Amino acid sequence: NFMLTQPQSVSESPGKTVSISCTGSSGSIASNYVQWYQQRPGSAPIIVISENNQRPSGVPDRFSGSIDSSSNSASLTISGLKTEDEADYYCQSYDSSNHNVVFGGGTKLTVL
Amino acid sequence: EVQLVESGGGLVKPGGSLRLSCAASGFTFSSYTMNWVRQAPGQGLEWVSSITSFSNYIYYGDSVKGRFTISRDNAKNSLYLQMDSLRGEDTAVYYCARKRLNSRALDPWGQGTLVTVSS
Repeated sequence: NFMLTQPQSVSESPGKTVSISCTGSSGSIASNYVQWYQQRPGSAPIIVISENNQRPSGVPDRFSGSIDSSSNSASLTISGLKTEDEADYYCQSYDSSNHNVVFGGGTKLTVL
Repeated sequence: EVQLVESGGGLVKPGGSLRLSCAASGFTFSSYTMNWVRQAPGQGLEWVSSITSFSNYIYYGDSVKGRFTISRDNAKNSLYLQMDSLRGEDTAVYYCARKRLNSRALDPWGQGTLVTVSS
């Protein structure tokens, strides 16, 4: 089965830039499209990036998504970090062999 | 305003059953694929099931296949999850989430309902 792997945690200082990776176990991660969700404690997830690099309306342009086909991975990059960006971030895609939705294990972002 | 509101969670004994509901408003419910996603305490997100707009296609995660049944009533703008043979590992917050049209994204999500399986 298709799996997505994320680092457990990352940390960075306010004002800096951080990237969170999401590596696919097989196939082409780009062709299955990757989404990114932000989840603050006690709240439901919200979408911050869809279709690899599309930013939904209302999401600050400090958030961006990219794909590296050579490593079959996606990245979420947050620039100009703010303390309010501190949250868990999940990547999501699809297993085209069985139409199942797949989530990465999540990455805890600490802004200190 | 697009809104999803889950209900039906609670405490149930192992082996028991529970039916979750998700009431949708603010959009044409019958046009969208809907999903259930769960999150065990302190853990990550786990996709549970999805159902297309007219129930033509239904999919389940391996951990719930054969025990859970997803359904919808487009006339009532409602999504359901019938959970049978519940186990301790099914303890989680259960979210319903809409799949965007022409997109792979799940947006928005409801606020979730907590299911606790314990004797």
